[in-house]
Amino acid sequence: RKEVEQDPGPFNVPEGATVAFNCTYSNSASQSFFWYRQDCRKEPKLLMSVYSSGNEDGRFTAQLNRASQYISLLIRDSKLSDSATYLCVVEGAGGFKTIFGAGTRLFVKA
Amino acid sequence: NAGVTQTPKFQVLKTGQSMTLQCAQDMNHNSMYWYRQDPGMGLRLIYYSASEGTTDKGEVPNGYNVSRLNKREFSLRLESAAPSQTSVYFCASRQGALTEAFFGQGTRLTVV
Repeated sequence: RKEVEQDPGPFNVPEGATVAFNCTYSNSASQSFFWYRQDCRKEPKLLMSVYSSGNEDGRFTAQLNRASQYISLLIRDSKLSDSATYLCVVEGAGGFKTIFGAGTRLFVKA
Repeated sequence: NAGVTQTPKFQVLKTGQSMTLQCAQDMNHNSMYWYRQDPGMGLRLIYYSASEGTTDKGEVPNGYNVSRLNKREFSLRLESAAPSQTSVYFCASRQGALTEAFFGQGTRLTVV
């Protein structure tokens, strides 16, 4: 079993739609969680951290469910510019390794 | 503020050749990482350095060596390149556990 698994993509949605991604992780001792965004042929960049209480940044909401070992990302009112690959990241065993999911591709169409 | 700088950006090698990928960060971060990214596989950790003077294997270390030259620099060496090492390589740094990672722009390596 992979340490971090994400929803298979791609997701194709119209502008203005709400879309949600899930990500499951296997290490129950994981302590930190992130969503990164990666544009085509570019480096990943932090979108947002995921806190135990959940957090919101504009149109983006991240949630953590420790009991079921998954994190989620909700994007409201999708924009064309949201088209990218979204990477789920979990702090793996040992405390200093970050483990990336394979990513979910999102296409937002006009 | 350059952040994380990788060189070269592109490289073509013949099977059996060696090369070193360079990475430098100017954010005074303690931890540095090397990842490879293949289509459909996401980023896989090759090696990491939690702090200056230490290095540890990640998920896919075979065929690679690393050197944490000083706090700023972390290099990745391919001693005898193989076609299976064709990939995009990313270097990253961060202050420590639980913090954001910053990535370089990547090195696109092709082994023929």
